[in-house]
Amino acid sequence: GNSVTQMEGPVTLSEEAFLTINCTYTATGYPSLFWYVQYPGEGLQLLLKATKADDKGSNKGFEATYRKETTSFHLEKGSVQVSDSAVYFCALSSEGGGSNYKLTFGKGTLLTVNP
Amino acid sequence: NAGVTQTPKFQVLKTGQSMTLQCAQDMNHNSMYWYRQDPGMGLRLIYYSASEGTTDKGEVPNGYNVSRLNKREFSLRLESAAPSQTSVYFCASSEWDRGPNTGELFFGEGSRLTVL
Repeated sequence: GNSVTQMEGPVTLSEEAFLTINCTYTATGYPSLFWYVQYPGEGLQLLLKATKADDKGSNKGFEATYRKETTSFHLEKGSVQVSDSAVYFCALSSEGGGSNYKLTFGKGTLLTVNP
Repeated sequence: NAGVTQTPKFQVLKTGQSMTLQCAQDMNHNSMYWYRQDPGMGLRLIYYSASEGTTDKGEVPNGYNVSRLNKREFSLRLESAAPSQTSVYFCASSEWDRGPNTGELFFGEGSRLTVL
């Protein structure tokens, strides 16, 4: 079945450091790929997405490219801030039957950015 | 802009007690979901409802029941709570109409449940 594997955390960085969080997936068909972010005490919210191969999603300085040949969707940011401290989830869409879709999530990566 | 509203936010139960988590969305979405979040396990899908009148099992449905009361509301019931059901529960909704927001799940703030 479909699955998402993302790098284990926690990840601790200093402010202005470069961030990469790796995500690889296994899926049938042509899923869409997503990164969600969860700030402390809150629900998840969409950070960025890509719907087809070679698409690049970007938002708030984060970006990720849908690489079908390596089945990857790694999250990157050139210069992290303390406010980026959160849990990041990689996810893919899958068809649950008929036209129903659902998301499969990775286990999440906790990022802590120190001043 | 309420979005997805879950109640209660916190609940403590004793083993064997029952309770219902309520969820309502005001975005006119067809699809609604219940996930649980546990440390080191990420989010796991319990049940989902593709549209009003339908419900389907997700990855971890045992011990739970759901009701899609109408298009807005999707409740999760624990008939006989067990300590293994201690978790944070998230309700979410989405629209899969192949428009620009397709695939974006909108989450509630979560309900933290402890079963003693």
